[in-house]
Amino acid sequence: DAGITQSPRHKVTETGTPVTLRCHQTENHRYMYWYRQDPGHGLRLIHYSYGVKDTDKGEVSDGYSVSRSKTEDFLLTLESATSSQTSVYFCAIRLANSYNEQFFGPGTRLTVL
Amino acid sequence: QKEVEQDPGPLSVPEGAIVSLNCTYSNSAFQYFMWYRQYSRKGPELLMYTYSSGNKEDGRFTAQVDKSSKYISLFIRDSQPSDSATYLCAMSAVNQAGTALIFGKGTTLSVSS
Repeated sequence: DAGITQSPRHKVTETGTPVTLRCHQTENHRYMYWYRQDPGHGLRLIHYSYGVKDTDKGEVSDGYSVSRSKTEDFLLTLESATSSQTSVYFCAIRLANSYNEQFFGPGTRLTVL
Repeated sequence: QKEVEQDPGPLSVPEGAIVSLNCTYSNSAFQYFMWYRQYSRKGPELLMYTYSSGNKEDGRFTAQVDKSSKYISLFIRDSQPSDSATYLCAMSAVNQAGTALIFGKGTTLSVSS
């Protein structure tokens, strides 16, 4: 998993509660990404980061915020979880000087009841 | 029309068969192409990547890109039961950190022994 860990790996929460997912990498990669994967939609980019405190929105960013205060950690926050955010969330890193190949973590399975 | 189309399958083949997996796309600006393999409840694993048109071979896997037809393929020779997984194509237009990979929805492959 390219030195990427995600926590928690599974979470069940209730509508309206805040949720934070953590992506941790040990290889000092500059570029980090959050995707969600849903049946019928495939993988879609939520937010990405190109350095500490440098983040930007992806295709499906509504309802999500991110933070990156250290190179190794990229946090995804659902401020007030909704059932439509039930999904599998993957963190990814991109190698510098690459053809935009991205390497994915093991995923977090989130259920919002 | 979706940017990337991929037949979801499932595709079932006997061990030893040659497998052909395909994606079509509509954005002529795409020039970076990738194939990922995803086992059940795991993160996507990068298999192959190519830039622009042409073929690339790696062991039993061959990736082909035909930009004139907006069509990419992944061939698996001498398929094995361990190849049973979902295969995702992915592509992007430019090689920049903020460029999202656009994924197909994946083709599920089952190789029987």
